Amino acid sequence: AQSVTQPDARVTVSEGASLQLRCKYSYSGTPYLFWYVQYPRQGLQLLLKYYSGDPVVQGVNGFEAEFIKSNSSFHLRKASVHWSDSAVYFCAVSANSNNRIFFGDGTQLVVKP
Amino acid sequence: NAGVIQTPRHKVTGKGQEATLWCEPISGHSAVFWYRQTIVQGLEFLTYFRNQAPIDDSGMPKERFSAQMPNQSHSTLKIQSTQPQDSAVYLCASSFSAETLYFGSGTRLTVL
Repeated sequence: AQSVTQPDARVTVSEGASLQLRCKYSYSGTPYLFWYVQYPRQGLQLLLKYYSGDPVVQGVNGFEAEFIKSNSSFHLRKASVHWSDSAVYFCAVSANSNNRIFFGDGTQLVVKP
Repeated sequence: NAGVIQTPRHKVTGKGQEATLWCEPISGHSAVFWYRQTIVQGLEFLTYFRNQAPIDDSGMPKERFSAQMPNQSHSTLKIQSTQPQDSAVYLCASSFSAETLYFGSGTRLTVL
């Protein structure tokens, strides 16, 4: 079965700084990979997804992620964070489009003004 | 498009009572998922329907929890004899297949 590890439970950065949230997955095949964001008292929203092709995928609000198969990683990046980016970010993996999606434990991002 | 609608937003039950949570998926979506979210356990998969048929209920506690999808416009999660450890936010999501999930805002269940 697939699994996802997000090693950082909480990340604190200053507004305007760059950001990387780490994600490693476990799956023997080529995975479907996702990043979701959850703002307080809301459900999760999709930031970006990777199925195939260019390993660097662009998402909403300036976020991007890079699929590195040799490292089984799918880290999320942003060049310059804004205070409104403060939220919990979830990495997720699926075997294909018809299988359930496995989520990591999430990383809480705190952006200091 | 109102998105995935979950009702109620908050529910408080006494220990031993029954709780029924409702989910209305986005029209046209064929897959419905239920997750449970707590601080301690994080996001736990419960069950998954496709075209109203149960596909995977491996995350459902075998006792007291049941889920149904009687028609394409709603799904229910029922918890019998609720216990304090059932307190959580229950999230419903829908999708065309199992690609992008669209989540509702959740139902916060508190069992006293």
